[in-house]
Amino acid sequence: DVKVTQSSRYLVKRTGEKVFLECVQDMDHENMFWYRQDPGLGLRLIYFSYDVKMKEKGDIPEGYSVSREKKERFSLILESASTNQTSMYLCASIWGPGHNQPQHFGDGTRLSIL
Amino acid sequence: AQSVAQPEDQVNVAEGNPLTVKCTYSVSGNPYLFWYVQYPNRGLQFLLKYITGDNLVKGSYGFEAEFNKSQTSFHLKKPSALVSDSALYFCAVRGGKIIFGKGTRLHILP
Repeated sequence: DVKVTQSSRYLVKRTGEKVFLECVQDMDHENMFWYRQDPGLGLRLIYFSYDVKMKEKGDIPEGYSVSREKKERFSLILESASTNQTSMYLCASIWGPGHNQPQHFGDGTRLSIL
Repeated sequence: AQSVAQPEDQVNVAEGNPLTVKCTYSVSGNPYLFWYVQYPNRGLQFLLKYITGDNLVKGSYGFEAEFNKSQTSFHLKKPSALVSDSALYFCAVRGGKIIFGKGTRLHILP
């Protein structure tokens, strides 16, 4: 069974800090995604990656960057954290483009920026 | 443009009654449609999908969904609700990219 692991369940950081959220999947999936989830807004795509060192902006990339140096790991970086980035962050993976299989999600990181 | 709508923010159902969570979509071409469930402080879990074939799709935990092409809908159903079905439910469509609805919170009342 596919496992997507997010390194932290809860994280508290201060405004202006550089924040790293880590995600690892164990099924050799090509595509990985970062979403943020806010009440009433559903899931919004921040960035996705379809291969190592490849990345594409999603719908709300401002204030974020990503890194994918290895196929199994996809990192989300908040360059200078701000209070409006307080949210639930979800990582997901899927085998490849155009594939009709569902995404597999991690349990999320609830990030608070003080 | 591709879109998904879940018209109800919350649905309340008495335990043992049938439940329906609504989803409508807009996509060019043939859609891939998915339902996910999210329990508190957890990620999304896959329930079921429609790719092609029978319009009635069966999934996990006794859930099923009916694909209606003319109404562009993909409503989630269950014949008899359980209290443990209380959760947040997301519909998603995959055309050129994956789009999620805003979610519907399902409350099953004992």
